[in-house]
Amino acid sequence: QKEVEQDPGPLSVPEGAIVSLNCTYSNSAFQYFMWYRQYSRKGPELLMYTYSSGNKEDGRFTAQVDKSSKYISLFIRDSQPSDSATYLCAMSGTGGGNKLTFGTGTQLKVEL
Amino acid sequence: SQTIHQWPATLVQPVGSPLSLECTVEGTSNPNLYWYRQAAGRGLQLLFYSIGIDQISSEVPQNLSASRPQDRQFILSSKKLLLSDSGFYLCAWSVGGVVDYGYTFGSGTRLTVV
Repeated sequence: QKEVEQDPGPLSVPEGAIVSLNCTYSNSAFQYFMWYRQYSRKGPELLMYTYSSGNKEDGRFTAQVDKSSKYISLFIRDSQPSDSATYLCAMSGTGGGNKLTFGTGTQLKVEL
Repeated sequence: SQTIHQWPATLVQPVGSPLSLECTVEGTSNPNLYWYRQAAGRGLQLLFYSIGIDQISSEVPQNLSASRPQDRQFILSSKKLLLSDSGFYLCAWSVGGVVDYGYTFGSGTRLTVV
């Protein structure tokens, strides 16, 4: 079993839809949770960062962490074609140089 | 502000040729540095990470090596490339310390070995 599981998609939605992207993990030591967005042929960019459990909102994006269920989510409201990208979840334990563990990424396409 | 530079952007090399990819970080001191490879349709594979000069850990036995000749410079090398070395190579840096703020990635190098 992988430490982090993420549905690879592809996920295709119409413009304006609410998108839900998810990851599950098995390592209870993970405390830092991130979402990266990667456009084709580009490096990943940090989109959302959350420490421990709870919600964090930034514009159209909301990150949720449920440590009891070992489940994290990224919600995108009013999705736009410019949101079309691969979204990778990532997490780490005690921090301070610990290596991030990445999901394999979910490919999202938002269609007009 | 901190920036990360990675070059070249694309590279086509014959099998058996050497490789040198360079990554530099500006605007920070003593960063943690990483080399990842991303194969088509697959996730990120950590190749090397470094917490300081001459402190490099290898994650996967392979045809590649890494060096950190200066605090903010990280180099990925190979003496003889294999077809299986093709992929998208990404350099990244993070802040050393107690709290983990995630990585900042470079723009990547797409390597095709022919």
